[in-house]
Amino acid sequence: NAGVTQTPKFRVLKTGQSMTLLCAQDMNHEYMYWYRQDPGMGLRLIHYSVGEGTTAKGEVPDGYNVSRLKKQNFLLGLESAAPSQTSVYFCASSYRSFGSYNEQFFGPGTRLTVL
Amino acid sequence: ILNVEQSPQSLHVQEGDSTNFTCSFPSSNFYALHWYRWETAKSPEALFVMTLNGDEKKKGRISATLNTKEGYSYLYIKGSQPEDSATYLCALIPISSGSARQLTFGSGTQLTVLP
Repeated sequence: NAGVTQTPKFRVLKTGQSMTLLCAQDMNHEYMYWYRQDPGMGLRLIHYSVGEGTTAKGEVPDGYNVSRLKKQNFLLGLESAAPSQTSVYFCASSYRSFGSYNEQFFGPGTRLTVL
Repeated sequence: ILNVEQSPQSLHVQEGDSTNFTCSFPSSNFYALHWYRWETAKSPEALFVMTLNGDEKKKGRISATLNTKEGYSYLYIKGSQPEDSATYLCALIPISSGSARQLTFGSGTQLTVLP
C-alpha cells in the first residue's frame, strides 16, 4: 500500500498562474482533507470531503477550489495564485465509522512557492 | 474560532530526561483529541486518539492523559532519546464539527533531545 501520495512534491508559480495539486489514497477511506502549514501556525484546514462527489469548506478556503470525482482522489486547485498562498500543503484521509474517532493518515506534503 | 493551545512552543532536553507538554482546548466543545508526532521532512503520524475523560494511553516510552472537564491533555516522554526529536501536535475534534469530524490543530511543541 502506498498510503497517501501527493503530486507534485515541489512547485514554483508566478502570481496569477493556476495549478492543481493531486492527492491519492489507496486505503478506501471515505474522508479526505487538505491542509496548509505555515511557520508558527498549526495545520489549517482548507477544504474537506466526506465522500465521493461531496466537498465542504474548512477554516481557510478562500482562493482554493476542490473536487472529489473519484473516492481515491482529492484535487486542490489554485485558480490565480497569490504570494499569500506560499505554503506547504498536506493531504490527509481517514476512515468513516460509527463514532469516527479515527486517526488521519497524511501525505508527504507539497511545497508551493508563489513569486 | 476554536482555540487549541500547546505549550511550550519548543523544548530542549538532555538524552535520558523525562519531559511533558500540554494541550489545552475548550472543554465545552470536546468530542475527541488526537496526538500526532511529526518528524522533520516527514508526514505527521498518529500517536493516540483519546475520547473519554480520564483516558490514559501508552506507546512505548510515550504516554498521554486526558481531562475533558478542565480541557487539557498531557503528553509524557520517559527517558527521552534523540530519535524522539520531533514536533508533537495535538488536534481537537469538536462536537461542532458534526459528521465530518474535522480536526483543529494546535501549533505544536517542538522537542529536541540532545545526546
